[in-house]
Amino acid sequence: DAKTTQPPSMDCAEGRAANLPCNHSTISGNEYVYWYRQIHSQGPQYIIHGLKNNETNEMASLIITEDRKSSTLILPHATLRDTAVYYCIVRAWDNYQLIWGAGTKLIIKP
Amino acid sequence: NAGVTQTPKFQVLKTGQSMTLQCAQDMNHNSMYWYRQDPGMGLRLIYYSASEGTTDKGEVPNGYNVSRLNKREFSLRLESAAPSQTSVYFCASSETPWTQYFGPGTRLTVL
Repeated sequence: DAKTTQPPSMDCAEGRAANLPCNHSTISGNEYVYWYRQIHSQGPQYIIHGLKNNETNEMASLIITEDRKSSTLILPHATLRDTAVYYCIVRAWDNYQLIWGAGTKLIIKP
Repeated sequence: NAGVTQTPKFQVLKTGQSMTLQCAQDMNHNSMYWYRQDPGMGLRLIYYSASEGTTDKGEVPNGYNVSRLNKREFSLRLESAAPSQTSVYFCASSETPWTQYFGPGTRLTVL
């Protein structure tokens, strides 16, 4: 599976859009990009995933560059409850093994 | 729906003791997983069960055994606990490989 690179931490003001970047320059054609988050000490929570098209759901939007070497998770109106560690994971759709990096610690400030 | 439940929530063991962590899901998912998470790190897969009756090793299986008791339950056993197994253990289940639902975790300390 391709490796991912994320900044260790980011701040964002409450009410603003939080944009979390992820680099995955070695991604293969059959590998998806997944995002999870982990709010302090809780089990991780699935957010969104995509292959090459931009995706949106009730939680977030996922923007994948045309060359698929990077992506951005967008939380459109961040709240204090969005403070968490966000993990970007790349793997093939039929691979059960998610490889987790250290993620980005996102702090939403009032 | 309770989702994914884990017992116990906390456990302290002495080196060499054994214990079983229990996990159950009520979402009728086919696949279940066991992860460990050490401080400041991401999760690492210990074992998974893609479907009832099958189990496979993950990234860090040494020192652990698992049993997929039925479709709902997936247990993790430490036969002889070591301090290096001090960690938070998460169980997860999924219907599709990409959307995993996690339990609240078991915090294990081995002295």
